Amino acid sequence: GEDVEQSLFLSVREGDSSVINCTYTDSSSTYLYWYKQEPGAGLQLLTYIFSNMDMKQDQRLTVLLNKKDKHLSLRIADTQTGDSAIYFCAEYPKGGATNKLIFGTGTLLAVQP
Amino acid sequence: EAGVTQFPSHSVIEKGQTVTLRCDPISGHDNLYWYRRVMGKEIKFLLHFVKESKQDESGMPNNRFLAERTGGTYSTLKVQPAELEDSGVYFCASSLRRGQGAGETQYFGPGTRLLVL
Repeated sequence: GEDVEQSLFLSVREGDSSVINCTYTDSSSTYLYWYKQEPGAGLQLLTYIFSNMDMKQDQRLTVLLNKKDKHLSLRIADTQTGDSAIYFCAEYPKGGATNKLIFGTGTLLAVQP
Repeated sequence: EAGVTQFPSHSVIEKGQTVTLRCDPISGHDNLYWYRRVMGKEIKFLLHFVKESKQDESGMPNNRFLAERTGGTYSTLKVQPAELEDSGVYFCASSLRRGQGAGETQYFGPGTRLLVL
């Protein structure tokens, strides 16, 4: 089946680390993505991880993938007020005739100064 | 390089009217996608073009929605007649190629916020 789940809301203080979690159901997914949507803006690709990787780090962002539990997380170190946004995880199922991404509902990250 | 652009950014129409949304993909991207986010819910796939051909339109809600991509460049999504439940944000995305690999990463536009009253 196709279902990606995320918690709806996360609040952190500026300077703390944020961890946004996501679970997915399609074990054949090849790529898993994190997109960010700032208020009034479009979806910005933050990072992605290939399914044969466990971790990917990119500056303040760390993506962890637990394939056994089908769990994906995005850690933002030293969270800033500019990180306040909605974060969407998305999976790209393997094979098939289409490239459609399966998105979660998004997690609203609120960073308190 | 210009990103994906969408027009209009906002549209407010009455139930029963027609609205046409436009998307210009990144130059050279053969793949173009439409997605929609209804208030507070997940972003859902509508359809996928490869050049001017519809590769997958399994996400189109009903026959009130018509998407075209004449000439394989920009695309339009027309809703006729619009209903209240059509309100939401319509995103367009494009990618360079299909298949595996980072080259198929989908880049999104800013979206069109549609409100049907």
